[in-house]
Amino acid sequence: QVQLVQSGAEVKKPGASVKVSCKASGYTFNSYFMHWVRQAPGQGLEWMGVINPSYGGTTYAQKFQGRVTMTRDTSTSTVYMDLTSLRSEDTAVYYCARGGPQQASARFDPWGQGTLVTVSS
Amino acid sequence: QSVLTQPPSASGTPGQRVTISCSGSSSNIGSNVVNWFQQLPGTAPKLLIYSNNQRPSGVPDRFSGSKSGTSASLAISGLQSEDEADYYCAAWDDSLNGLYVVFGGGTKLTVL
Repeated sequence: QVQLVQSGAEVKKPGASVKVSCKASGYTFNSYFMHWVRQAPGQGLEWMGVINPSYGGTTYAQKFQGRVTMTRDTSTSTVYMDLTSLRSEDTAVYYCARGGPQQASARFDPWGQGTLVTVSS
Repeated sequence: QSVLTQPPSASGTPGQRVTISCSGSSSNIGSNVVNWFQQLPGTAPKLLIYSNNQRPSGVPDRFSGSKSGTSASLAISGLQSEDEADYYCAAWDDSLNGLYVVFGGGTKLTVL
């Protein structure tokens, strides 16, 4: 079955960086875009950006441009989300979610289990 | 505040029909399909409705979606206690800032 498994929880200090991984299985990795969505405690969902696993092209939400980098490793069917210059407001659960075969599809299915990133001094 | 507007809460009794609205604009709902997600407490979101009104396999037909102009709705009929969750709408937004995904703020559904 299609499955996304994310890396474990992280605790970081303000100003540091975090890299979250998302390993895909059960489908052709290169054929579907992968999105990243985060959710602050008690808050709603916030889209961060998308990567095309086939050639690595990315589109980032304006809010995160300059701080986020999404990459992929096709040999291990894994995508990564790197967020720099962390601040307390970045404390959230970060999800990867498989999109469609075209970029402009918000049919996110399935989602990873989530990775809690806590930013605290 | 979120680009797509949802009521923060909704409620109903078992067996009742409940609808959740999602209001947007011409750059998102008005020109792109709407998807709905269900998030049970403490879990990752799950796709509930895609392309305005399509149900993924495994989603009961009690759940239905519709879209008209710049608004969309999620309807849940025959409400059950396990439907108590947060519900989010989402769509692509094509504006001067570029092409990106926008979510509604979420609606917390309580089954009384």
